[in-house]
Amino acid sequence: GESVGLHLPTLSVQEGDNSIINCAYSNSASDYFIWYKQESGKGPQFIIDIRSNMDKRQGQRVTVLLNKTVKHLSLQIAATQPGDSAVYFCAENKEGAQKLVFGQGTRLTINP
Amino acid sequence: DTAVSQTPKYLVTQMGNDKSIKCEQNLGHDTMYWYKQDSKKFLKIMFSYNNKELIINETVPNRFSPKSPDKAHLNLHINSLELGDSAVYFCASSPRGGGEKLFFGSGTQLSVL
Repeated sequence: GESVGLHLPTLSVQEGDNSIINCAYSNSASDYFIWYKQESGKGPQFIIDIRSNMDKRQGQRVTVLLNKTVKHLSLQIAATQPGDSAVYFCAENKEGAQKLVFGQGTRLTINP
Repeated sequence: DTAVSQTPKYLVTQMGNDKSIKCEQNLGHDTMYWYKQDSKKFLKIMFSYNNKELIINETVPNRFSPKSPDKAHLNLHINSLELGDSAVYFCASSPRGGGEKLFFGSGTQLSVL
Protein backbone atom coordinates (compact mmCIF):
# COMPACT_ATOMS: atom_id res chain seq x y z
CA GLY A 1 0.00 0.00 0.00
CA GLU A 2 0.98 3.64 -0.07
CA SER A 3 3.16 4.93 2.69
CA VAL A 4 5.23 7.98 3.35
CA GLY A 5 7.79 7.73 6.08
CA LEU A 6 10.56 9.68 7.68
CA HIS A 7 14.04 8.49 8.52
CA LEU A 8 14.34 10.39 11.80
CA PRO A 9 11.58 11.16 14.25
CA THR A 10 13.62 13.89 16.03
CA LEU A 11 16.31 16.31 14.97
CA SER A 12 18.20 18.89 17.02
CA VAL A 13 20.32 21.62 15.44
CA GLN A 14 22.07 24.70 16.68
CA GLU A 15 20.54 28.05 15.91
CA GLY A 16 22.03 29.42 12.74
CA ASP A 17 22.95 26.01 11.34
CA ASN A 18 21.26 24.41 8.37
CA SER A 19 18.92 21.49 8.93
CA ILE A 20 17.83 18.70 6.62
CA ILE A 21 14.69 16.69 7.18
CA ASN A 22 14.29 13.54 5.12
CA CYS A 23 11.30 11.62 3.85
CA ALA A 24 11.02 8.34 1.99
CA TYR A 25 7.98 7.48 -0.05
CA SER A 26 6.99 4.14 -1.46
CA ASN A 27 4.53 5.00 -4.23
CA SER A 28 6.48 5.59 -7.40
CA ALA A 29 3.29 6.90 -9.04
CA SER A 30 3.16 9.87 -6.65
CA ASP A 31 3.63 13.09 -8.54
CA TYR A 32 3.07 15.82 -6.01
CA PHE A 33 4.76 16.35 -2.67
CA ILE A 34 4.27 18.88 0.10
CA TRP A 35 6.04 19.85 3.29
CA TYR A 36 4.05 21.11 6.24
CA LYS A 37 5.16 22.68 9.50
CA GLN A 38 3.14 22.17 12.66
CA GLU A 39 3.86 24.29 15.70
CA SER A 40 2.62 23.29 19.11
CA GLY A 41 -1.13 23.79 19.47
CA LYS A 42 -1.59 24.78 15.85
CA GLY A 43 -2.64 23.18 12.62
CA PRO A 44 -0.17 22.18 9.90
CA GLN A 45 0.99 25.08 7.77
CA PHE A 46 2.11 24.78 4.17
CA ILE A 47 5.82 25.38 3.62
CA ILE A 48 6.67 24.34 0.09
CA ASP A 49 5.60 21.87 -2.56
CA ILE A 50 7.14 20.21 -5.59
CA ARG A 51 5.87 18.25 -8.56
CA SER A 52 7.56 15.17 -9.89
CA ASN A 53 8.76 16.95 -13.03
CA MET A 54 11.15 18.94 -10.85
CA ASP A 55 14.17 17.94 -8.76
CA LYS A 56 14.49 21.05 -6.66
CA ARG A 57 12.45 23.99 -5.58
CA GLN A 58 13.46 26.90 -3.40
CA GLY A 59 11.52 29.18 -1.13
CA GLN A 60 12.52 31.63 1.51
CA ARG A 61 15.24 29.83 3.52
CA VAL A 62 13.78 26.47 2.48
CA THR A 63 14.64 24.13 -0.32
CA VAL A 64 12.91 20.89 -1.25
CA LEU A 65 14.82 18.22 -3.12
CA LEU A 66 13.17 15.31 -4.87
CA ASN A 67 15.05 12.19 -5.90
CA LYS A 68 12.63 10.02 -7.81
CA THR A 69 15.21 7.32 -8.42
CA VAL A 70 15.36 6.42 -4.75
CA LYS A 71 11.96 7.85 -3.86
CA HIS A 72 13.37 10.35 -1.43
CA LEU A 73 12.29 13.84 -0.49
CA SER A 74 14.14 16.29 1.71
CA LEU A 75 13.52 19.69 3.22
CA GLN A 76 16.49 21.93 3.83
CA ILE A 77 16.11 24.88 6.15
CA ALA A 78 18.91 27.41 6.02
CA ALA A 79 20.14 29.44 9.00
CA THR A 80 17.64 27.94 11.41
CA GLN A 81 15.90 30.18 13.88
CA PRO A 82 14.09 29.40 17.14
CA GLY A 83 10.80 29.81 15.30
CA ASP A 84 11.68 26.87 13.11
CA SER A 85 11.15 24.51 16.05
CA ALA A 86 8.14 22.42 15.09
CA VAL A 87 7.05 19.07 13.72
CA TYR A 88 7.57 18.77 9.98
CA PHE A 89 5.50 16.49 7.77
CA CYS A 90 5.93 15.40 4.22
CA ALA A 91 2.86 14.40 2.26
CA GLU A 92 2.36 12.88 -1.16
CA ASN A 93 -0.32 12.55 -3.75
CA LYS A 94 -0.73 10.40 -6.77
CA GLU A 95 -2.34 12.00 -9.79
CA GLY A 96 -6.04 11.27 -9.74
CA ALA A 97 -6.07 10.36 -6.08
CA GLN A 98 -8.38 12.27 -3.81
CA LYS A 99 -6.19 12.73 -0.78
CA LEU A 100 -2.79 13.63 0.57
CA VAL A 101 -1.01 10.86 2.45
CA PHE A 102 1.05 12.17 5.32
CA GLY A 103 4.30 10.84 6.70
CA GLN A 104 5.10 10.24 10.35
CA GLY A 105 6.55 13.67 11.14
CA THR A 106 9.95 14.85 12.39
CA ARG A 107 10.27 17.03 15.45
CA LEU A 108 12.89 19.72 14.82
CA THR A 109 14.37 21.43 17.85
CA ILE A 110 16.56 24.49 17.51
CA ASN A 111 19.10 24.87 20.30
CA PRO A 112 20.25 28.37 21.24
CA ASP B 1 -9.50 36.79 9.39
CA THR B 2 -9.14 33.09 10.04
CA ALA B 3 -9.34 31.13 6.81
CA VAL B 4 -10.35 27.77 8.29
CA SER B 5 -11.89 28.00 11.72
CA GLN B 6 -13.10 25.16 13.89
CA THR B 7 -14.80 25.11 17.26
CA PRO B 8 -14.35 24.22 20.00
CA LYS B 9 -10.59 24.33 20.51
CA TYR B 10 -10.82 21.89 23.41
CA LEU B 11 -13.49 19.32 24.15
CA VAL B 12 -13.47 17.20 27.30
CA THR B 13 -16.28 14.71 27.72
CA GLN B 14 -17.30 11.39 29.21
CA MET B 15 -17.43 8.06 27.42
CA GLY B 16 -20.76 7.43 25.80
CA ASN B 17 -21.59 11.08 25.18
CA ASP B 18 -22.36 12.61 21.78
CA LYS B 19 -20.44 15.67 20.64
CA SER B 20 -20.01 17.86 17.57
CA ILE B 21 -17.14 19.84 16.13
CA LYS B 22 -17.86 22.64 13.70
CA CYS B 23 -15.74 23.91 10.84
CA GLU B 24 -16.08 26.85 8.50
CA GLN B 25 -13.84 28.11 5.72
CA ASN B 26 -13.98 31.54 4.11
CA LEU B 27 -11.59 30.77 1.28
CA GLY B 28 -14.24 29.88 -1.24
CA HIS B 29 -12.81 26.37 -1.55
CA ASP B 30 -14.83 23.52 -2.98
CA THR B 31 -13.48 20.68 -0.85
CA MET B 32 -13.31 20.23 2.91
CA TYR B 33 -11.80 17.49 5.03
CA TRP B 34 -11.56 16.04 8.48
CA TYR B 35 -8.21 14.63 9.60
CA LYS B 36 -7.43 12.85 12.86
CA GLN B 37 -4.05 13.26 14.55
CA ASP B 38 -3.14 10.67 17.15
CA SER B 39 -0.80 10.96 20.12
CA LYS B 40 2.17 10.13 17.90
CA LYS B 41 1.31 13.03 15.60
CA PHE B 42 0.23 10.78 12.76
CA LEU B 43 -2.28 12.56 10.49
CA LYS B 44 -4.89 10.43 8.82
CA ILE B 45 -7.75 11.51 6.63
CA MET B 46 -11.25 10.63 7.80
CA PHE B 47 -13.60 12.31 5.34
CA SER B 48 -13.68 14.70 2.46
CA TYR B 49 -16.59 16.58 0.92
CA ASN B 50 -16.70 18.38 -2.39
CA ASN B 51 -19.54 20.85 -2.74
CA LYS B 52 -21.52 19.06 -0.04
CA GLU B 53 -20.97 15.66 -1.62
CA LEU B 54 -19.11 12.94 0.29
CA ILE B 55 -15.98 11.94 -1.61
CA ILE B 56 -13.85 10.04 0.91
CA ASN B 57 -14.89 7.95 3.88
CA GLU B 58 -11.80 6.21 5.19
CA THR B 59 -13.31 3.28 7.06
CA VAL B 60 -14.26 5.48 9.93
CA PRO B 61 -16.71 3.94 12.42
CA ASN B 62 -20.25 4.97 11.68
CA ARG B 63 -20.36 6.68 15.07
CA PHE B 64 -18.67 9.50 13.16
CA SER B 65 -21.04 11.38 10.90
CA PRO B 66 -19.91 14.39 8.89
CA LYS B 67 -22.45 16.92 7.73
CA SER B 68 -21.94 19.61 5.12
CA PRO B 69 -24.84 22.06 4.98
CA ASP B 70 -23.01 24.10 2.34
CA LYS B 71 -19.58 24.09 0.80
CA ALA B 72 -18.22 26.50 3.40
CA HIS B 73 -19.11 24.29 6.36
CA LEU B 74 -18.24 20.75 7.37
CA ASN B 75 -19.24 19.59 10.81
CA LEU B 76 -18.32 16.36 12.55
CA HIS B 77 -20.72 14.64 14.89
CA ILE B 78 -19.52 11.78 17.05
CA ASN B 79 -21.92 9.44 18.82
CA SER B 80 -21.19 7.23 21.81
CA LEU B 81 -17.69 8.53 22.35
CA GLU B 82 -15.00 6.01 23.27
CA LEU B 83 -11.63 6.43 24.94
CA GLY B 84 -9.88 5.71 21.65
CA ASP B 85 -11.55 8.71 20.06
CA SER B 86 -9.27 10.98 22.08
CA ALA B 87 -7.13 12.83 19.53
CA VAL B 88 -6.77 16.16 17.79
CA TYR B 89 -9.20 16.61 14.92
CA PHE B 90 -8.28 18.97 12.12
CA CYS B 91 -10.56 20.47 9.55
CA ALA B 92 -8.99 21.46 6.24
CA SER B 93 -10.02 22.78 2.86
CA SER B 94 -8.60 22.88 -0.64
CA PRO B 95 -9.57 24.87 -3.73
CA ARG B 96 -10.83 22.07 -5.92
CA GLY B 97 -10.43 18.42 -5.16
CA GLY B 98 -8.33 16.02 -3.22
CA GLY B 99 -4.59 15.62 -3.38
CA GLU B 100 -3.76 19.32 -3.56
CA LYS B 101 -2.49 21.83 -1.03
CA LEU B 102 -4.58 21.80 2.10
CA PHE B 103 -5.34 24.69 4.39
CA PHE B 104 -5.80 23.50 7.96
CA GLY B 105 -7.73 24.81 10.92
CA SER B 106 -6.10 25.05 14.32
CA GLY B 107 -7.51 21.76 15.57
CA THR B 108 -9.90 20.50 18.22
CA GLN B 109 -8.34 18.51 21.03
CA LEU B 110 -10.87 15.90 22.10
CA SER B 111 -10.34 14.14 25.42
CA VAL B 112 -12.69 11.31 26.30
CA LEU B 113 -12.62 10.36 29.97
